[in-house]
Amino acid sequence: DAGVIQSPRHEVTEMGQEVTLRCKPISGHDYLFWYRQTMMRGLELLIYFNNNVPIDDSGMPEDRFSAKMPNASFSTLKIQPSEPRDSAVYFCASRLAGGFGELFFGEGSRLTVL
Amino acid sequence: KQEVTQIPAALSVPEGENLVLNCSFTDSAIYNLQWFRQDPGKGLTSLLLIQSSQREQTSGRLNASLDKSSGRSTLYIAASQPGDSATYLCAFNQAGTALIFGKGTTLSVSS
Repeated sequence: DAGVIQSPRHEVTEMGQEVTLRCKPISGHDYLFWYRQTMMRGLELLIYFNNNVPIDDSGMPEDRFSAKMPNASFSTLKIQPSEPRDSAVYFCASRLAGGFGELFFGEGSRLTVL
Repeated sequence: KQEVTQIPAALSVPEGENLVLNCSFTDSAIYNLQWFRQDPGKGLTSLLLIQSSQREQTSGRLNASLDKSSGRSTLYIAASQPGDSATYLCAFNQAGTALIFGKGTTLSVSS
């Protein structure tokens, strides 16, 4: 299996621009998670989905952030408009519902907002 | 609020030393506890997962233990090597919920 695939790996944009991050989870996984990592705050959960349905979006910082999962193999995280404080590494992760529930991460998308 | 604390934040040891990384969590009703490794600029790689009914898991030179009553987990690394240098993160979750992460311990093993 190719693992969790994220794109782009790096994104540099200017304040006010729209940013879209993409994620392809591991095939067959029921849960998909979006996390954000910064030096100050560590890894923070933004939102997660179960069977394509958002379960908990309480970590989404503001209305500028939105996430969708139109099907089992694709999810997007959108920031509109972006701000410098959104600069971080955004990780997508997926896991199975049952069994050990081991979480698998993508390589992350490093976002820099100037 | 559920929290995970990892101590120390950074650790430097000479090659060959055995070491212990500590993790404490606020909720005894955990479902899974998972240890990850993160190399600079990379994603997180799962090392060990301990279910709530288990007390420890072992993989090679790594051993993780779980004590729910005290809210603690430890990651033991035997005979450390320079290739073990990375940040180690601990995380736990309740059934059906997302993992909550500590900020990690950055380990440096010198040759």
